[in-house]
Amino acid sequence: QKEVEQNSGPLSVPEGAIASLNCTYSDRGSQSFFWYRQYSGKSPELIMFIYSNGDKEDGRFTAQLNKASQYVSLLIRDSQPSDSATYLCAVTALYGNNRLAFGKGNQVVVIP
Amino acid sequence: GAVVSQHPSRVICKSGTSVKIECRSLDFQATTMFWYRQFPKQSLMLMATSNEGSKATYEQGVEKDKFLINHASLTLSTLTVTSAHPEDSSFYICSASAPGALDTQYFGPGTRLTVL
Repeated sequence: QKEVEQNSGPLSVPEGAIASLNCTYSDRGSQSFFWYRQYSGKSPELIMFIYSNGDKEDGRFTAQLNKASQYVSLLIRDSQPSDSATYLCAVTALYGNNRLAFGKGNQVVVIP
Repeated sequence: GAVVSQHPSRVICKSGTSVKIECRSLDFQATTMFWYRQFPKQSLMLMATSNEGSKATYEQGVEKDKFLINHASLTLSTLTVTSAHPEDSSFYICSASAPGALDTQYFGPGTRLTVL
């Protein structure tokens, strides 16, 4: 089982709609969870982090964490064309030293 | 805050040459830096973890003699790809952890290496 799994396939959403991304992780001991956005040809950019169960909101982004079910999700409200990117879920890895395990990413395409 | 730079942003070299990539934390001291490689349409692959003043910890399958990492100061880590070959062509990205948020990684802009 991979450490971090994200749904495969691009997600197309109309402009103004909500984009919902999910991520599951295997290590029940993971403490920190991150969402990064990566535009094509660019490096990842941190957009959200969450440590506690529940929701965390930052502007149009909401991260949701459920440690019992071992999943973390990201909601993008009022999606804009500029949100079109690949979103990477990252979780603190098994081996410490602050390593992060990354999922393969979800491509989001916002259709004007 | 938490700005990480990389240099060069793009490099083209001949097969057999060595290439050095610099990663700097501009506004904070980074005790730990990470080096990743990303092939087209794939996710990030961690190559090594670099701690200031000590030897880097390489991931399984990454040749430490081919990918030399030096973390001589709290703001600078370098990755040298020695005797580069076309299969080393990739997007190399560094990240750094800021004090007080040690598990949060901030990424540099990346270096695109093309080996002819």
